[in-house]
Amino acid sequence: QSALTQPRSVSGSPGQSVTISCTGTSSDVGGYNYVSWYQHHPGKAPKLVIYDVSKRPSGVPDRFSGSKSGNTASLTISGLQAEDEADYYCCSYGSTYVFGTGTKVTVL
Amino acid sequence: EVQLVQSGAEVKKPGESLKISCKGSGYSFSNYWIGWVRQMPGKGLEWMGLIYPGDSDTRYSPSFQGQVTMTADKSVSTAYLQWSSLKASDTAIYYCAKRSGTTTYFDPWGQGTLVTVSS
Repeated sequence: QSALTQPRSVSGSPGQSVTISCTGTSSDVGGYNYVSWYQHHPGKAPKLVIYDVSKRPSGVPDRFSGSKSGNTASLTISGLQAEDEADYYCCSYGSTYVFGTGTKVTVL
Repeated sequence: EVQLVQSGAEVKKPGESLKISCKGSGYSFSNYWIGWVRQMPGKGLEWMGLIYPGDSDTRYSPSFQGQVTMTADKSVSTAYLQWSSLKASDTAIYYCAKRSGTTTYFDPWGQGTLVTVSS
């Protein structure tokens, strides 16, 4: 199963919003509401920020939101902060799991 | 607090065997699937497979089937990932993660184990 497609990088100034897309197929992203997003600071454990497309775990700021349309899921970070600079990965469950290619978020 | 703690970094030679561990605490270890994820140098996350510690049922990604073995010992709340003959291409950080009970996300994750295979 091929990795889900994400932009290599996105950037924004503090306070701005950025959106990361995650494109799959009808066999994964489009077929199930099982998309999750992980924030990964290099050298640290990945952290869950969104699950089931749009649900936010407790403790995750409401600046993080998720959505899906067809075969593409999206993660939006509103009110960008310096600590949001990290790599972000989507993950979808179909008959198996598949991660996205990863997106580096840079806070200018 | 639910926590997964992984074993420390390893440096091995090609052809050697290796077993790394992932110890869970703060929850009923037997009742939740543990997933393994690889991150090769400079690359993204790759799902390797899952193991259910309660009965050691395993599900491997086709890419990793036959390349690694996942086991678990519920008596010590520990999952393992092992190789019988390492290759240089196995150099990576390996993460374990607890799969949710009701749906399909992973949380929390272990801190990762760096495996370096070099002659």
